[in-house]
Amino acid sequence: EIVLTQSPATLSLSPGERATLSCRASQSVNIYLVWYQQKPGQAPRLLIYDASKRATGIPARFSGSGSGTDFTLTISSLEPEDFAVYYCQQRSDWYTFGQGTKLEIK
Amino acid sequence: EVQLVESGGGLVKPGGSLRLSCAASGFSVNASIMNWVRQAPGKGLEWISSVSSRVIFVYYADSVKGRFTISRDNAKNSLYLQMNSLRAEDTAVYYCAREVLAAGSAFDLWGQGTMVTVSS
Repeated sequence: EIVLTQSPATLSLSPGERATLSCRASQSVNIYLVWYQQKPGQAPRLLIYDASKRATGIPARFSGSGSGTDFTLTISSLEPEDFAVYYCQQRSDWYTFGQGTKLEIK
Repeated sequence: EVQLVESGGGLVKPGGSLRLSCAASGFSVNASIMNWVRQAPGKGLEWISSVSSRVIFVYYADSVKGRFTISRDNAKNSLYLQMNSLRAEDTAVYYCAREVLAAGSAFDLWGQGTMVTVSS
């Protein structure tokens, strides 16, 4: 099973700041890495697929990069609605999710 | 409107059974790969089962293999999850999710979830 490790577990930032979230895979997943956002009491929302492609309707401040085992989700300038939990998911070998990074307001 | 709506969750004793439903609207479940994903309270996401489009292939995570069965009813445009031999560790919110090949096989549409609690 491919294990995804996200860091940091919690990220405390202020609106307007840049957020950088990391996801590391235990073995190569090529570019088959997805990012989701989840707010309390809500279902996950697709943000990025194939490591760097924004899903329909996702603002340009969200960007993804990486390949192989190391991936990054960047939010260029945080908006109040961006504070949430972010999960990465690989679909190279079935599907596994990272444990999540909580992005909280500082 | 394109949406998924789950139902059927509730409180069940260990060893019991429950059947979850996921009603789709605005698209055909028959033409889509459909998945079940669960989330234990305060925890992360866990994929548990998939059913392919058209010809039916089904897949399960090891944690539920032999106990859970995924199915769909094309006439009702719905997805189901039959859960047997339930354990305390199956307590979670269960989501159905659509997988889209055009979006890198990501899960682009999710239901609101239904809570399953396994407790005596």
